[in-house]
Amino acid sequence: GAVVSQHPSWVICKSGTSVKIECRSLDFQATTMFWYRQFPKQSLMLMATSNEGSKATYEQGVEKDKFLINHASLTLSTLTVTSAHPEDSSFYICSARPPRPGLAGVPSYNEQFFGPGTRLTVL
Amino acid sequence: RKEVEQDPGPFNVPEGATVAFNCTYSNSASQSFFWYRQDCRKEPKLLMSVYSSGNEDGRFTAQLNRASQYISLLIRDSKLSDSATYLCVVTGTGGTSYGKLTFGQGTILTVHP
Repeated sequence: GAVVSQHPSWVICKSGTSVKIECRSLDFQATTMFWYRQFPKQSLMLMATSNEGSKATYEQGVEKDKFLINHASLTLSTLTVTSAHPEDSSFYICSARPPRPGLAGVPSYNEQFFGPGTRLTVL
Repeated sequence: RKEVEQDPGPFNVPEGATVAFNCTYSNSASQSFFWYRQDCRKEPKLLMSVYSSGNEDGRFTAQLNRASQYISLLIRDSKLSDSATYLCVVTGTGGTSYGKLTFGQGTILTVHP
């Protein structure tokens, strides 16, 4: 099955620093990846849709200048939390849409595979 | 009103019990429906898709009622390993919502001996 990895799995940083999180599709090419955030006892909230070779699409209320997304290749998307503050502490999860069977390069409509998540703690 | 609503629980049931979760969604044009399972501090994993005709996978049965915009999940013969948060998920209809997953807040299930 499709595998998505994330790195790092956890990070602790000081307030004001920037943190980069990587999301990789290991055995398929993903033209679209998604970034989610989950606060304790809450569900996943979509932050942005990352499109290979073009700008990310951010959900309402998500600051694009604070959460920088780069999808430079078909297997890698990065999320950089700039000038992180304690309220940014959360569980960040990416997902990727695999290609439709027999249609390389055409993403599956509704299937997504999730990375294991990155737990960010900002002191 | 939230796009996807679930009873957060928690549901505490003994092993072997049958438990049912419900979910409602607000967008009548939603395309696809799923149940995901999320263990503590882990990523969500797809449990099963949900179809109007109803579908069953072992001890799990999912139902979709488009007219009522209602989704259900039934777990029979509960196991300790079923303890998790169950997420009701709906996909968008098109345009900017294409392929986007919208998650409910989740229903916590604890199965005890």
